[in-house]
Amino acid sequence: DTEVTQTPKHLVMGMTNKKSLKCEQHMGHRAMYWYKQKAKKPPELMFVYSYEKLSINESVPSRFSPECPNSSLLNLHLHALQPEDSALYLCASSLGGGAGGELFFGEGSRLTVL
Amino acid sequence: KNEVEQSPQNLTAQEGEFITINCSYSVGISALHWLQQHPGGGIVSLFMLSSGKKKHGRLIATINIQEKHSSLHITASHPRDSAVYICAVRSGGDKIIFGKGTRLHILP
Repeated sequence: DTEVTQTPKHLVMGMTNKKSLKCEQHMGHRAMYWYKQKAKKPPELMFVYSYEKLSINESVPSRFSPECPNSSLLNLHLHALQPEDSALYLCASSLGGGAGGELFFGEGSRLTVL
Repeated sequence: KNEVEQSPQNLTAQEGEFITINCSYSVGISALHWLQQHPGGGIVSLFMLSSGKKKHGRLIATINIQEKHSSLHITASHPRDSAVYICAVRSGGDKIIFGKGTRLHILP
């Protein structure tokens, strides 16, 4: 199984809603990443978890809250988002440690904030 | 100046042409990744390099660590190669820095 699975594929939410994005991999990878991608732009790193601990937070607003309940699962909790947060949210994973290993990406969750 | 620079930003070519996309970086790295993203789609890893050269089918990737430069070549290009190609470097642990991408369009 060389897949990173993201759910939901599409999400529409109001500014007062609370929702979550989910990412799952069963490759034994110990590094997991959240990226935000706007149209025609490269992905922007948001968070990195390494061995289930948050290792990088790229000064992301607190309305985005990551969670890594176990080594296979990564969540991104969303609360009080703004319309400018509408984007494609990509999850990735890699072996972790040392050279880090090849990157595997999910298909992304396309978020629209009304 | 961005830490990872790609050129060209956009490239249109005829089917069958030999394609080269370049990536230069200014930081120390432990690995360099070439990634492919089709419109509206997820990202696929093409290569991970730390030295030398790798080949998969019609794709070839090279890296020169001393010159901090990598190239991605596509031989006998095909319209299905049309995509955005992204160079990304792993610099210090878990941090990965992305280039802005090269938008490739192959005309039939």
